[in-house]
Amino acid sequence: GDSVTQTEGQVTVSESKSLIINCTYSTTSIAYPNLFWYVRYPGEGLQLLLKVITAGQKGSSRGFEATYNKETTSFHLQKASVQESDSAVYYCALGENSGTYQRFGTGTKLQVVP
Amino acid sequence: GGIITQTPKFLIGQEGQKLTLKCQQNFNHDTMYWYRQDSGKGLRLIYYSITENDLQKGDLSEGYDASREKKSSFSLTVTSAQKNEMAVFLCASSIWGGGAEQFFGPGTRLTVL
Repeated sequence: GDSVTQTEGQVTVSESKSLIINCTYSTTSIAYPNLFWYVRYPGEGLQLLLKVITAGQKGSSRGFEATYNKETTSFHLQKASVQESDSAVYYCALGENSGTYQRFGTGTKLQVVP
Repeated sequence: GGIITQTPKFLIGQEGQKLTLKCQQNFNHDTMYWYRQDSGKGLRLIYYSITENDLQKGDLSEGYDASREKKSSFSLTVTSAQKNEMAVFLCASSIWGGGAEQFFGPGTRLTVL
């Protein structure tokens, strides 16, 4: 089957420090995965942060970046300098153009402290 | 832009009770989804629908029914509420399937007494 793994349930980072949230995926059926990061800010609904559909490409949004690495089946989310306003829950997801749904990871709660 | 509305925001029921959650979207999207969100378990797909009157089971469909009588609405019924299924239920829609961005509603928090 298909699955997405986020190893960290919670991450605490000091403001202005760098961040990496790990995401790896596994698929037995999807030839050309599409990869997503969604985010839920406190008090808001879940929303798309960024999406990459081509292996080797990088997506970016709000200062965050993620590179689709087909060799390591990874899509880690990175930011060079986090702000308190980045505190949120981040979900990695796997989909397919010809498919009908996406698989989500378990989510990583990011807390940025002053 | 559009919006997804979920009602009610909070739902409290008794164990064994049948409970219905409703979702409306005005994006004119074809595909709609119901997810269950438990702490530490991410989003698990309960049901989805690729068009009006279509229903497809997800990984967690046992104990739930769904209904898509109109393109804009998608309902989820908990057939017999259990205490171990207290969670947040999220509705989402997308213009088409797995490669497209999903838009989410604010959620319904279910409590079972």
